[in-house]
Amino acid sequence: DSGVTQTPKHLITATGQRVTLRCSPRSGDLSVYWYQQSLDQGLQFLIHYYNGEERAKGNILERFSAQQFPDLHSELNLSSLELGDSALYFCASSVAPGLGDTQYFGPGTRLTVL
Amino acid sequence: DAKTTQPTSMDCAEGRAANLPCNHSTISGNEYVYWYRQIHSQGPQYIIHGLKNNETNEMASLIITEDRKSSTLILPHATLRDTAVYYCIVRDYNTDKLIFGTGTRLQVFP
Repeated sequence: DSGVTQTPKHLITATGQRVTLRCSPRSGDLSVYWYQQSLDQGLQFLIHYYNGEERAKGNILERFSAQQFPDLHSELNLSSLELGDSALYFCASSVAPGLGDTQYFGPGTRLTVL
Repeated sequence: DAKTTQPTSMDCAEGRAANLPCNHSTISGNEYVYWYRQIHSQGPQYIIHGLKNNETNEMASLIITEDRKSSTLILPHATLRDTAVYYCIVRDYNTDKLIFGTGTRLQVFP
């Protein structure tokens, strides 16, 4: 158990809908990262938040957005869902940005878009 | 794009050491090498990381060549539960993101 929690574990929805994925980092961690893992793309970095502020963006679609709240939990919002958005979504947390800092991953949310 | 190259798959007998190689010839001087593994569709599990020196923890050892262009992860006594995809990652200096490649699928057999 990494100490990172994600809810829900599974999510099934229809095209065009909007969903929110939630991540609670490990106690004391200020950084939250979101990654997407699809069958054809592997694990891809989406976005990084540190202490409530966006630090870096990766291959995140404009239909997706994220935020980190004062209690440090983070939410990833996915809207106008398409079949291709079906994937595993992982969040990871670390104490702070830095080259020697370790990211610990949560168990993931499996999103299925029908 | 991933900065690392790894063999697609490897086999290892239970109880033997598993040596997983990784090439990272374009690594910068201040970039760390990280190893994670993923069992089925679970969240990637951190194993070990290093900069220049060899590192060891309760899970594995990491051997980094002197020129830092390659490294080897060593699982000293592989068990069936070590069957997983192992990712060697060079952490991006500018963004802190982990850039995953395709990894090595390690199969431990009895």
